[in-house]
Amino acid sequence: KAGVTQTPRYLIKTRGQQVTLSCSPISGHRSVSWYQQTPGQGLQFLFEYFSETQRNKGNFPGRFSGRQFSNSRSEMNVSTLELGDSALYLCASSPHQGQGYEKLFFGSGTQLSVL
Amino acid sequence: AQSVTQPDIHITVSEGASLELRCNYSYGATPYLFWYVQSPGQGLQLLLKYFSGDTLVQGIKGFEAEFKRSQSSFNLRKPSVHWSDAAEYFCAVGADRDDKIIFGKGTRLHILP
Repeated sequence: KAGVTQTPRYLIKTRGQQVTLSCSPISGHRSVSWYQQTPGQGLQFLFEYFSETQRNKGNFPGRFSGRQFSNSRSEMNVSTLELGDSALYLCASSPHQGQGYEKLFFGSGTQLSVL
Repeated sequence: AQSVTQPDIHITVSEGASLELRCNYSYGATPYLFWYVQSPGQGLQLLLKYFSGDTLVQGIKGFEAEFKRSQSSFNLRKPSVHWSDAAEYFCAVGADRDDKIIFGKGTRLHILP
């Protein structure tokens, strides 16, 4: 079974631009969660989607948005990029709604650099 | 709301020595507790989890953790570390299975040969 796939692996953008990151979960998994990882803040929860519905949301500004498609693939979008958005963005999938039910399967992440 | 603290940002141990990584949580009821490991350039992998029952939990790669309600702790241990254990370790806490889990800021483990 293929693991969680995140594309692209690396991304360089400039301030003010927008970016879209993609996540393909493990086949059969219906929950996709997104995290922002930075050296100072660790992993911060962005949002979770289950069956195309946003189930949980973290404390991030509205510039961060996401969606999930009928095949469970998910995208997250960041508009009007700021320098502080530079981070590793991790996606995790799970068969069930909620992240405490069983283990999360993580992708290797997309490293976003904002110049 | 639940929260989790990992007091040690960096830990250095010699290969073959024992290891204990600290994790303290804040939550009113019995939490769901997890330890994840992240190797360089990789995503996170679950080492072990505690939901209820026996407070000593065995995980993969020879790790174990003990839930101590009186101390609000869930420390990770390994009797003898290997060079391949060098990684970043994250403790996480959840209020219930259907909710999000909150990660600590991580402890980076360095292994001396």
